[in-house]
Amino acid sequence: DVKVTQSSRYLVKRTGEKVFLECVQDMDHENMFWYRQDPGLGLRLIYFSYDVKMKEKGDIPEGYSVSREKKERFSLILESASTNQTSMYLCATRDREGFSNQPQHFGDGTRLSIL
Amino acid sequence: SQQGEEDPQALSIQEGENATMNCSYKTSINNLQWYRQNSGRGLVHLILIRSNEREKHSGRLRVTLDTSKKSSSLLITASRAADTASYFCATDAHFGNEKLTFGTGTRLTIIP
Repeated sequence: DVKVTQSSRYLVKRTGEKVFLECVQDMDHENMFWYRQDPGLGLRLIYFSYDVKMKEKGDIPEGYSVSREKKERFSLILESASTNQTSMYLCATRDREGFSNQPQHFGDGTRLSIL
Repeated sequence: SQQGEEDPQALSIQEGENATMNCSYKTSINNLQWYRQNSGRGLVHLILIRSNEREKHSGRLRVTLDTSKKSSSLLITASRAADTASYFCATDAHFGNEKLTFGTGTRLTIIP
C-alpha cells in the first residue's frame, strides 16, 4: 500500500510566521499535490509537482510556495502566515505511468491554525 | 475551480438502507473517481470509472456515468454505520494536466 505521511496532524502558528508543512511518500510516485480543504469549498489545489524541482501553480497559490528537492518529499511553505490560511492541508501523490487511470493517494492531513 | 458538484450536500439514512449520491461536472473527462473521507482524515480512493464506461461495481458500491448529461452517481447498498463519511467525486479532464478536480462532497450519516 502507498503510504503518504504528513509531518504533523495538528499545528498552531502565529500570524507572520514562516510555516513549513512536510509530506513524504514511499511509492516513488512522480506526481505530488498540496490541497487545502475548507467547509463548503471542497478541496482546492494549491500547487503540484510532477518531478523533482518541477512545480506548477494550482488554483490558489497566493501566499504559498513549495519545494521538491527529492522525489519522495514535497514541502508546502506559508511565507508569512495569515489567519485566512487556517485550514486543513492535504498532501497527495499519483503514479504518473498511465496517470489518467490512476487514483490519488492522500495523507491524513495537517490541521493548521494561525492565531 | 470546482468542476464537480455533489448532490445532496448531506444525507442521513437508516442502517441497511441504500444511499445514493450524485455528481455533476462541466467539461469533457477521461475518467471520474469517487473518494471517501472519514472525519479528520485524508481521502481514500473508492472507485474509478472511465469515460467509455457506463456502470461499474465494487463490492457494495455501484457507480454510473452519463457523459451526455455530465453526471455520475454513487450507490452504496446495505449501508453500515462504518459508511458514515464524506464522499467526493473527482474528475480527470480530457485535456487535463494530471490534476484532479474535486467536488464539494456529500456528508453521509448512517443511523444505527
